Amino acid sequence: KNQVEQSPQSLIILEGKNCTLQCNYTVSPFSNLRWYKQDTGRGPVSLTIMTFSENTKSNGRYTATLDADTKQSSLHITASQLSDSASYICVVPRSNDYKLSFGAGTTVTVRA
Amino acid sequence: DARVTQTPRDKVTEMGQEVTMRCQPILGHNTVFWYRQTMMQGLELLAYFRNRAPLDDSGMPKDRFSAEMPDATLATLKIQPSEPRDSAVYFCASGWTISDRAPPNNEQFFGPGTRLTVL
Repeated sequence: KNQVEQSPQSLIILEGKNCTLQCNYTVSPFSNLRWYKQDTGRGPVSLTIMTFSENTKSNGRYTATLDADTKQSSLHITASQLSDSASYICVVPRSNDYKLSFGAGTTVTVRA
Repeated sequence: DARVTQTPRDKVTEMGQEVTMRCQPILGHNTVFWYRQTMMQGLELLAYFRNRAPLDDSGMPKDRFSAEMPDATLATLKIQPSEPRDSAVYFCASGWTISDRAPPNNEQFFGPGTRLTVL
């Protein structure tokens, strides 16, 4: 069973609107959680890395939240743009381990 | 602008043929990862190198896959013989660590991938 679950699997939003992606994890012990953006035909690119003590972290119009107690994270996209169309992958490394647990990703489509 | 580069970007081959994919990690990075991405399985780790030494290749089918780092600027992933089920996008990623396990907050920087189609 995957230790990182993401929802929804996909979503379509209109340009300028906001959306929120969810990530639940069971990886333990926990060290950090990462959100990656993967454009079609490209490799994943890191958006944010959140450690245990961080609740919120922003990168431009992307804001990630982390609740280590409930083992949930969200990625909020504000004022979406066409360039936000991509797959967003939640990644949780095992503590002190090189192996990453990947979520299946949420495919976001922004329409004009 | 330091980036991981991969060649070829696309490869179409016939079943049974040998396929070699190449990766140039970011200069100064000492860890290299090979991943495979499919719609069904998502991203899967195939191999992990640190300081050019293979530390983990448990994700690779041993009978047909091999990974090497001839030098610090080149990593290769070879499939021989290739099969249709090998069709996927193969990503190389590099990073830096001072221990034999990447510290948890070190990032892995991904290349653009090689899209492999085996007919």
